[in-house]
Amino acid sequence: DAGVTQSPTHLIKTRGQQVTLRCSPKSGHDTVSWYQQALGQGPQFIFQYYEEEERQRGNFPDRFSGHQFPNYSSELNVNALLLGDSALYLCASSIPGPMNTGELFFGEGSRLTVL
Amino acid sequence: AQTVTQSQPEMSVQEAETVTLSCTYDTSESDYYLFWYKQPPSRQMILVIRQEAYKQQNATENRFSVNFQKAAKSFSLKISDSQLGDAAMYFCAYRARGSTLGRLYFGRGTQLTVWP
Repeated sequence: DAGVTQSPTHLIKTRGQQVTLRCSPKSGHDTVSWYQQALGQGPQFIFQYYEEEERQRGNFPDRFSGHQFPNYSSELNVNALLLGDSALYLCASSIPGPMNTGELFFGEGSRLTVL
Repeated sequence: AQTVTQSQPEMSVQEAETVTLSCTYDTSESDYYLFWYKQPPSRQMILVIRQEAYKQQNATENRFSVNFQKAAKSFSLKISDSQLGDAAMYFCAYRARGSTLGRLYFGRGTQLTVWP
């Protein structure tokens, strides 16, 4: 049973560029959330997708956008990259409906470095 | 707004000894989950233990146990018989229970070092 998978694991971009990160949720999960974890900090919630729609959003600018596909996989897009966008981006998925135990299952993250 | 505070940036413990990591939180909700996640250098967040706020009994998972004080909004993690593999960053997290779409709020983490 594959867990949450993310790609790429590492990438380097320059300021002003755009980046797309990808996530496949754990089998049987339909909700995907994205978190940004700056070095030495706790993860910060970016947004959450369910039924192909953005359901909740944290305090992140519109440069951060996403998408969820019919197979529940998701993409995180960041435009006009800034140095401060350098971070570990974590994807998390959860079980739907009454089986939900509150827990989120995380991938290993995508480490983005902006130069 | 919900906030989670971990006041110990770093902790250390001798192998086989016991260590307690502290966490406090602030919420106006009455029904919620609390979690401790472990993040080793491999970066993947791994759930250590989960507590449901409506349950008075403290959760335990093998060598890991919590002290949940709802009135004080305190949620500490005790690791007994510490092992070298316990070395990691530990995050306390909160999630409202009312919606299955609730986001997680994390503390800043506590870096645990285990000495042989």
